[in-house]
Amino acid sequence: ETGVTQTPRHLVMGMTNKKSLKCEQHLGHNAMYWYKQSAKKPLELMFVYNFKEQTENNSVPSRFSPECPNSSHLFLHLHTLQPEDSALYLCASSQDVQGWSTEAFFGQGTRLTVV
Amino acid sequence: EDQVTQSPEALRLQEGESSSLNCSYTVSGLRGLFWYRQDPGKGPEFLFTLYSAGEEKEKERLKATLTKKESFLHITAPKPEDSATYLCAVQASGGGADGLTFGKGTHLIIQP
Repeated sequence: ETGVTQTPRHLVMGMTNKKSLKCEQHLGHNAMYWYKQSAKKPLELMFVYNFKEQTENNSVPSRFSPECPNSSHLFLHLHTLQPEDSALYLCASSQDVQGWSTEAFFGQGTRLTVV
Repeated sequence: EDQVTQSPEALRLQEGESSSLNCSYTVSGLRGLFWYRQDPGKGPEFLFTLYSAGEEKEKERLKATLTKKESFLHITAPKPEDSATYLCAVQASGGGADGLTFGKGTHLIIQP
């Protein structure tokens, strides 16, 4: 039990589908993140939420839409994806204290395959 | 732009054969350097945080060190269960929660 839970663990979707990834953290943290991990590439930061406010969007295509209804939950809404979007999507959380952030804890990820 | 380079990309060792993994970084003001372990199909597992040059941290067979330009993860007398991909990441100075910049990782295999 890592304290960060992601569902589903595996997802196969067509390019015209709409789906959502869910992340829940049980650590009492106030910052949450979405990362993308593709083969042979480093983890790429996608979105940052601090106190439920989006503070960073790393030029992510609009077919990815994040939502953070509270500091414990984070969603990633997906629509009209491309095959190159197939990857492991990781959620993480950390505690931001007066501008300093503790280490991030990661969920197990959602393995997404776009067909 | 923050950059993290890890070497080697892959390393195969015999059980008990000690070695070191390297993480070179370029960052506009280092807030912290992080080491993670990642097993296949799983999320990264936090190992260490280092904040300033000269700092060292240990956990079982692992020891992490930090200089102004690089970090090393020393593995002493490794066992097969230490096989994993080891990721290095940096966090730059700035206000509020910032994401991490990761290297590509070192894939470590320990043969019995």
